[in-house]
Amino acid sequence: ETGVTQTPRHLVMGMTNKKSLKCEQHLGHNAMYWYKQSAKKPLELMFVYNFKEQTENNSVPSRFSPECPNSSHLFLHLHTLQPEDSALYLCASSYRLAGVPTDTQYFGPGTRLTVL
Amino acid sequence: AQKITQTQPGMFVQEKEAVTLDCTYDTSDQSYGLFWYKQPSSGEMIFLIYQGSYDEQNATEGRYSLNFQKARKSANLVISASQLGDSAMYFCAMREGNFGNEKLTFGTGTRLTIIP
Repeated sequence: ETGVTQTPRHLVMGMTNKKSLKCEQHLGHNAMYWYKQSAKKPLELMFVYNFKEQTENNSVPSRFSPECPNSSHLFLHLHTLQPEDSALYLCASSYRLAGVPTDTQYFGPGTRLTVL
Repeated sequence: AQKITQTQPGMFVQEKEAVTLDCTYDTSDQSYGLFWYKQPSSGEMIFLIYQGSYDEQNATEGRYSLNFQKARKSANLVISASQLGDSAMYFCAMREGNFGNEKLTFGTGTRLTIIP
């Protein structure tokens, strides 16, 4: 496997279900990100992990819970979601250097989530 | 105010013609980075090209070039000799901030359709 992979690619869940999205990067990067892409809205940053430490939580509801066990894996645990949470969830990774805000983020194919 | 503005929601271009996708940005930082991504219908965000705020030359990557006009705060993407496979959504993004506090902000995108 190369690049950034995400599983599952498609997920349909009820509002009472608990599910997890998985992201894995094979690029040797040290930072990982979760984004949400809703129809007709710009991509929204949800969470950022640097060296496995969460450095950003962009006012995301607690029904979304990220986990980063190591620099190659990132999870997004979902529970009691709402229909408006239906969206494409994209994972990305990059190699961050101190003082250099120009690292390129590489994205996975996304998980298309539908909440019924 | 929007950080990234893409004023063209959709464009239709004849195959083999060149196309320019507009992007303007707003930042007070001296050091920042500008990116273009392509998103086909499959959903994956594909990195195309990057321009640093201190780079004096316009970035080029194969058929892609970035027309960077710093004083006007514009970073237009130029695709030469367009191909049918170029049909996709195109997003302009800006990275600003210091280490540990960077943000990547995306525009709303332009849907490019190449006509045979």
